[in-house]
Amino acid sequence: KAGVTQTPRYLIKTRGQQVTLSCSPISGHRSVSWYQQTPGQGLQFLFEYFSETQRNKGNFPGRFSGRQFSNSRSEMNVSTLELGDSALYLCASSLLAGLGGDEQYFGPGTRLTVT
Amino acid sequence: DQQVKQNSPSLSVQEGRISILNCDYTNSMFDYFLWYKKYPAEGPTFLISISSIKDKNEDGRFTVFLNKSAKHLSLHIVPSQPGDSAVYFCAASAQTGNQFYFGTGTSLTVIP
Repeated sequence: KAGVTQTPRYLIKTRGQQVTLSCSPISGHRSVSWYQQTPGQGLQFLFEYFSETQRNKGNFPGRFSGRQFSNSRSEMNVSTLELGDSALYLCASSLLAGLGGDEQYFGPGTRLTVT
Repeated sequence: DQQVKQNSPSLSVQEGRISILNCDYTNSMFDYFLWYKKYPAEGPTFLISISSIKDKNEDGRFTVFLNKSAKHLSLHIVPSQPGDSAVYFCAASAQTGNQFYFGTGTSLTVIP
């Protein structure tokens, strides 16, 4: 069974630009969660999508948005990039919503650098 | 604002000895706790969990202890092996919220 895939793996953008990251969950999984990982803050929850609906949202500004398609693939968009948005963005998939532990699988992440 | 804290950013241990990684939390509503392991260029992978009805959970070389009164959990790895060298994250959630809150991670180095 293929794992969670994220594209692109690395990205360099300029301040003020926008970026779209993609996550393909494990086949059959309907929930996708997004996290931002930075050295000082660890992993911070961005949002969770289940069956194309945002189910949960973390404490991030409105510049961070996401969506989920009917095939469960999810995209995350960050508009008006700031230097502080430089981070590793991880997505995780699970069969049902709100699951963690051994029922949640992470992708390798997209490393975003904002210059 | 950080509800889950890992105060030790790094830890070095000799192979064969015990590794103890610590995690503190502030929200008394948390009732489900996890440890993840992360290698460079890979996503975190689940290691072990514990619910608040237990104070200990063991899986092979890995044991997690929960002290609810102190809002503290720890991960013990015995014996430590070089392949255990990774960043370890603890995470917590409350039944009602289902959102997972992660710590900042502890980088473990096991010296051969």
